[in-house]
Amino acid sequence: QVQLVQSGAEVKKPGASVKVSCKASGYTFTSYGISWVRQAPGQGLEWMGWISAYNGNTNYAQKLQGRVTMTTDTSTSTAYMELRSLRSDDTAVYYCARLRVVGHYMDVWGKGTTVTVSS
Amino acid sequence: SYELTQPPSVSVSPGQTARITCSGDALPKKYAYWYQQKSGQAPVLVIYEDSKRPSGIPERFSGSSSGTMATLTISGAQVEDEADYYCYSTDSSGNRWVFGGGTKLTVL
Repeated sequence: QVQLVQSGAEVKKPGASVKVSCKASGYTFTSYGISWVRQAPGQGLEWMGWISAYNGNTNYAQKLQGRVTMTTDTSTSTAYMELRSLRSDDTAVYYCARLRVVGHYMDVWGKGTTVTVSS
Repeated sequence: SYELTQPPSVSVSPGQTARITCSGDALPKKYAYWYQQKSGQAPVLVIYEDSKRPSGIPERFSGSSSGTMATLTISGAQVEDEADYYCYSTDSSGNRWVFGGGTKLTVL
């Protein structure tokens, strides 16, 4: 079955970077993309961007431009999301999700990775 | 920046019909998608391309779109449908994707 397994929880200090991984299985990795979505405590979902696993093309949310980088490793069917210059308001659960190339919507989600930014 | 607007909350009794709306200027030309998120869990896709239902989603979930408003309808809502529901779509350029603010559905 299709599965996305994310890396474990992280605690970071303000100004540091975090890199979250998302390992896919159960489907042809390069036939889809990977989206990243975050959710701050008690808040709604926020779209962060997506990456094509086929050609590496990316599309980032404007507010995160310059701080976020999404990459993939097709040899291991793993996607990565790196967020730099962390602030306290980056504290959130970060989800990866399989992105349908036609329609650009997410149909299968990982369980989420909690990132806490605190001094 | 583009926004999708949802009511913060909707409340129905079991067996009644729940309707959750989502308004956005680009919806006449862009599809709406709907996600259900139960407490402490990852979101689940319940409607795609305005009105299509993924396999495994109960038939009581349906979607429609007219003009600048998309609607998620749960016919005969059940207690297990209590969750936050989010619409998702893109702006007119197709490059900026957003979620609505979410609607908390209470069934009691």
